[in-house]
Amino acid sequence: DGGITQSPKYLFRKEGQNVTLSCEQNLNHDAMYWYRQDPGQGLRLIYYSQIVNDFQKGDIAEGYSVSREKKESFPLTVTSAQKNPTAFYLCASSNPANLGTGIYFGAGTRLSVL
Amino acid sequence: GESVGLHLPTLSVQEGDNSIINCAYSNSASDYFIWYKQESGKGPQFIIDIRSNMDKRQGQRVTVLLNKTVKHLSLQIAATQPGDSAVYFCAAISGGYQKVTFGTGTKLQVIP
Repeated sequence: DGGITQSPKYLFRKEGQNVTLSCEQNLNHDAMYWYRQDPGQGLRLIYYSQIVNDFQKGDIAEGYSVSREKKESFPLTVTSAQKNPTAFYLCASSNPANLGTGIYFGAGTRLSVL
Repeated sequence: GESVGLHLPTLSVQEGDNSIINCAYSNSASDYFIWYKQESGKGPQFIIDIRSNMDKRQGQRVTVLLNKTVKHLSLQIAATQPGDSAVYFCAAISGGYQKVTFGTGTKLQVIP
């Protein structure tokens, strides 16, 4: 089955700790995205990548870092600099060369602070 | 600034009735729109999309209407079922996915 796989489903972070959220896709999409979802708010863009080895900051990139070494993978690290990391994190992908084919999401990772 | 908003935060409908969920967008350059369904604790699920050169598109039990003049789109769900209970939100896309804006969502509650 083609899709986007996020892991883990639940993650707990201790104060001062960096944690990494995994996102893998087998849709052969060039673009990948990380969004943060908080209750009562729309999705907010953290980082996005249009191609391998390239990524751009979104609206709320502070305290986060990413890498895009492979087309299929776009891991997100929540660093200790992110003071309010508790949220639902969603990874997505799209095929920018073919507008009209949608943006697809993974099942999400819920991050909580211990 | 750019925004994508929904007119009603919560919508309650009787099972079997039709549901209409609305979305307003502000960026006139938006040329592609998507509706998503998100169940509690899950990722958003693609429901239906529409390009700006269309004003209506139908799927299975769902219809999306686009009014570019007033920058408004709606999602109609026919014969609403308990399994339709979820949060629905729209996305407005411009510049070939360069700019994607999501609405905050409408919670649809289906009353058995």
